[in-house]
Amino acid sequence: GAGVSQTPSNKVTEKGKYVELRCDPISGHTALYWYRQSLGQGPEFLIYFQGTGAADDSGLPNDRFFAVRPEGSVSTLKIQRTERGDSAVYLCASSPSTHITSEQFFGPGTRLTVL
Amino acid sequence: QQQVKQSPQSLIVQKGGISIINCAYENTAFDYFPWYQQFPGKGPALLIAIRPDVSEKKEGRFTISFNKSAKQFSLHIMDSQPGDSATYFCAASKATNAGKSTFGDGTTLTVKP
Repeated sequence: GAGVSQTPSNKVTEKGKYVELRCDPISGHTALYWYRQSLGQGPEFLIYFQGTGAADDSGLPNDRFFAVRPEGSVSTLKIQRTERGDSAVYLCASSPSTHITSEQFFGPGTRLTVL
Repeated sequence: QQQVKQSPQSLIVQKGGISIINCAYENTAFDYFPWYQQFPGKGPALLIAIRPDVSEKKEGRFTISFNKSAKQFSLHIMDSQPGDSATYFCAASKATNAGKSTFGDGTTLTVKP
């Protein structure tokens, strides 16, 4: 079956612009996660959803970052007024549940470059 | 404050050798410790995981050793193969907030043929 897909795979934007990154989770997975991975570092938690609601958004760096999952499936990460420091790979993952041992399946990521 | 510290940053091993990667954590509330493998251009993939009620877990060539009192855990890759060359991340999470994982900074493993 299809895994987690993320679009676009690469996004180049200019400082100050708005961007949207999309994640299509594995069908039937109720939990969805966003991480940010900077070069040479591990993934950094941003937010996770259980169904349509954000269960924990404590990792969002500031109010320029926002994520939605309106129908409990596809999620969009939105970044306003992008800054050069936002450049990173944004990873999405999904899992069947938020039980602690429920495996998170990661997508390939969207590489965001802010010029 | 980095809650999960991973070492070494990079590791070179000969084919057939043992690769050992170490992680240390600070928060005693962590109670799930997975290891992930990541190839260039791909997302991380779960390799093996352990909970603190056991001291060791083995799956094929991969073993996690866990030392609760020292707050340390390690990944051992036996009979390392060139195909194991990748970046490995340890992670930790709490049962009370299982969706939020904290990752180490990764170890780049190179297995020379």
